[in-house]
Amino acid sequence: AQSVAQPEDQVNVAEGNPLTVKCTYSVSGNPYLFWYVQYPNRGLQFLLKYITGDNLVKGSYGFEAEFNKSQTSFHLKKPSALVSDSALYFCAVRDISNTGKLIFGQGTTLQVKP
Amino acid sequence: DAGVTQSPTHLIKTRGQQVTLRCSPKSGHDTVSWYQQALGQGPQFIFQYYEEEERQRGNFPDRFSGHQFPNYSSELNVNALLLGDSALYLCASSLRDRVHEQYFGPGTRLTVT
Repeated sequence: AQSVAQPEDQVNVAEGNPLTVKCTYSVSGNPYLFWYVQYPNRGLQFLLKYITGDNLVKGSYGFEAEFNKSQTSFHLKKPSALVSDSALYFCAVRDISNTGKLIFGQGTTLQVKP
Repeated sequence: DAGVTQSPTHLIKTRGQQVTLRCSPKSGHDTVSWYQQALGQGPQFIFQYYEEEERQRGNFPDRFSGHQFPNYSSELNVNALLLGDSALYLCASSLRDRVHEQYFGPGTRLTVT
């Protein structure tokens, strides 16, 4: 079965420090991978995607993610965290057999402290 | 360029009642997907509509049904509401040939009492 795992419920970082939010996936074939961010009482906002090509994907608001096929990971990163980055982050993968369906992880809360 | 809009923002219903949620896709998009996000969980795929027909469906009972109109807007209907149906319902729109690139609306918060 296809799945996405976000092993950390919460990540705490100090403002200005680099941040990493982890994601691993399980899917047959070549994965389509996504990161979304959700602010309180809001819908999901698209950050970035990996479909093919360079393993380092750059996205919105200074975020980037590294696709690692051997480790089946797609970790979200940012060189310097901002307090305004504090939110709930979701990793997702496209379902191979149901291409209109995105499979989401449980989410990771990022807390950036001043 | 208007993004995905949903109405209402919040809704409170009683167990056993029926509810209808509405979604207008992003301008130019022709495909609408619905997701249920329970508290503390990631979104779960309910179904997807294209050309006014249900094309894909997730693991949800028949109490969940939908409709797509000629202008591509969509409705999600839930019958015989259960307490467990309380969740944030998200609508996402996309282009049919790039269906994985989904843009989400702000959601409708449904509370069943």
